[in-house]
Amino acid sequence: DAGVTQSPTHLIKTRGQHVTLRCSPISGHKSVSWYQQVLGQGPQFIFQYYEKEERGRGNFPDRFSARQFPNYSSELNVNALLLGDSALYLCASSFASGTYEQYFGPGTRLTVT
Amino acid sequence: AQSVTQLGSHVSVSEGALVLLRCNYSSSVPPYLFWYVQYPNQGLQLLLKYTTGATLVKGINGFEAEFKKSETSFHLTKPSAHMSDAAEYFCAVTHFYGGATNKLIFGTGTLLAVQP
Repeated sequence: DAGVTQSPTHLIKTRGQHVTLRCSPISGHKSVSWYQQVLGQGPQFIFQYYEKEERGRGNFPDRFSARQFPNYSSELNVNALLLGDSALYLCASSFASGTYEQYFGPGTRLTVT
Repeated sequence: AQSVTQLGSHVSVSEGALVLLRCNYSSSVPPYLFWYVQYPNQGLQLLLKYTTGATLVKGINGFEAEFKKSETSFHLTKPSAHMSDAAEYFCAVTHFYGGATNKLIFGTGTLLAVQP
């Protein structure tokens, strides 16, 4: 079975630009979460979506937004990129919102110059 | 609020030696605890989890962890290290939010090196 997939794998953007990252969950999973992992740190929770509704939001500015589509895939959007947004962005899927086993994708490495 | 502290950002062991990675948590409600492993340029893989029940939890690749409420700890161990265990390990905590969300709070990670 396919695991969580993310695209693109790597991305280089300039300060002030906008970026869209994409995630496809494991088949049958209805919940997707996004995490930011800055080099040398643990992942930080950004958003969780379940059945297309936002179920959780971390301490990130409004420049970060996300959505979930009817097929349960998800997009993470970041506007007005800052150098500090450079990180590995991880997507995790789980069967439902109350289940705790989350499966992570390989991540998208975003570099902002 | 919940938090996780991983003692030792770098741990080095010899191949065949005991692996002990330390994790302490802070939680005002019963915690659910996890260990994840991250190999270079990859995502996170779940090693094991504790939700309820037996406090000694066995995971993949020979790892296990014991939930000790009195010590607020969830240390990860493996009796004999293998070269392939070299990776970064993350401890994470969450709790039952009534199904509303399942966000994980991670520690800062421990990089395990295995010497031949």
